[in-house]
Amino acid sequence: AQSVTQLGSHVSVSEGALVLLRCNYSSSVPPYLFWYVQYPNQGLQLLLKYTTGATLVKGINGFEAEFKKSETSFHLTKPSAHMSDAAEYFCAVRRGDSNYQLIWGAGTKLIIKP
Amino acid sequence: SQTIHQWPATLVQPVGSPLSLECTVEGTSNPNLYWYRQAAGRGLQLLFYSVGIGQISSEVPQNLSASRPQDRQFILSSKKLLLSDSGFYLCAWSRSRGQGQAEAFFGQGTRLTVV
Repeated sequence: AQSVTQLGSHVSVSEGALVLLRCNYSSSVPPYLFWYVQYPNQGLQLLLKYTTGATLVKGINGFEAEFKKSETSFHLTKPSAHMSDAAEYFCAVRRGDSNYQLIWGAGTKLIIKP
Repeated sequence: SQTIHQWPATLVQPVGSPLSLECTVEGTSNPNLYWYRQAAGRGLQLLFYSVGIGQISSEVPQNLSASRPQDRQFILSSKKLLLSDSGFYLCAWSRSRGQGQAEAFFGQGTRLTVV
């Protein structure tokens, strides 16, 4: 069965510091992987995705993620945190069966300290 | 371009009252449609998904139902709300199999409070 594990329900970083949000997945098929961001009382917005090809994926708002097959990881990073990055972040993997659904991680709330 | 509309944004309903949340998608045809719920402090829970008109699959047995009367319209309903139905409800769509890479696009959500 496929699954997604996000390490840390809350991550706190100082403004200007490196952001690292961890995501590990299990998948019986080549994975399609996604990161979404959710601001309070809003829907989820796609940050970036990995399907095939280059393993380092760049997304919106300066975020990027690297697909590491050997580590079954897809960690999200940003070199310098900004106050506006405070939000909840969700990692997801596409289900490998016929209905094209996403399997979701539990989410990580990113807190930015001034 | 594609857009998704979900309403209302907030709703306060008494226990035992009915519920109807509506979601419509524009700019695409034959999308997969989804209803999710977020309870406080918990992740995304898939409630229903639909791959076509009248085709509804339920992921979790509960007090809710869903219908898809038109290709781009998805409705979440309840005959009698429970306190436990409170939460943040999200509608989403994705391209159907063979048309894309499965990323989902979300509406702005409905905050439902059952009192």
